[in-house]
Amino acid sequence: KQEVTQIPAALSVPEGENLVLNCSFTDSAIYNLQWFRQDPGKGLTSLLLIQSSQREQTSGRLNASLDKSSGRSTLYIAASQPGDSATYLCAVRWGQAGTALIFGKGTTLSVSS
Amino acid sequence: NAGVMQNPRHLVRRRGQEARLRCSPMKGHSHVYWYRQLPEEGLKFMVYLQKENIIDESGMPKERFSAEFPKEGPSILRIQQVVRGDSAAYFCASSSPSHGYTFGSGTRLTVV
Repeated sequence: KQEVTQIPAALSVPEGENLVLNCSFTDSAIYNLQWFRQDPGKGLTSLLLIQSSQREQTSGRLNASLDKSSGRSTLYIAASQPGDSATYLCAVRWGQAGTALIFGKGTTLSVSS
Repeated sequence: NAGVMQNPRHLVRRRGQEARLRCSPMKGHSHVYWYRQLPEEGLKFMVYLQKENIIDESGMPKERFSAEFPKEGPSILRIQQVVRGDSAAYFCASSSPSHGYTFGSGTRLTVV
């Protein structure tokens, strides 16, 4: 069964810390992996998309890595800010066009000032 | 580019009524995916549609739920005879190979 797991479920850090969110997935034959951010009561905002042939993607203070062989991805957030407080979701697509994303349950991040 | 548009943003229905949720994909996208997010749970896939075709409905409950994506107009997720357990956030997405999935802001259904 194809599953996505995110650890930890919640994380609290002081402002300015660098942090890592973890995502693991069964079945290494993925098509791509996508990280999203969700604010309370809001929709999903795409952060980074990593294709199966890529090892990492960067956007501003965010860096996502992908290690298919170990079934893991990490989202690195540098110099965290209170505005980074949200739930971060990892989602994997295993097939090509048209197949559904499978989501982890997310990591809820709280950054205190 | 208005992105993925969903309406209404909030919907309140009494038990036994019908709920209709609408989704317009991003311009140029002809694929639509519906997901449900129950309180304290992750997003679960429900159904994938192309224009006039249901491609994958493996995540859709067998009863009371249906979806369509007509040749003209938005995709509709329809829930008949709603029950309290249907209260959730329903999200629609469309996708492209280069940008992955783009989600709408969701419809929050409350059944009273």
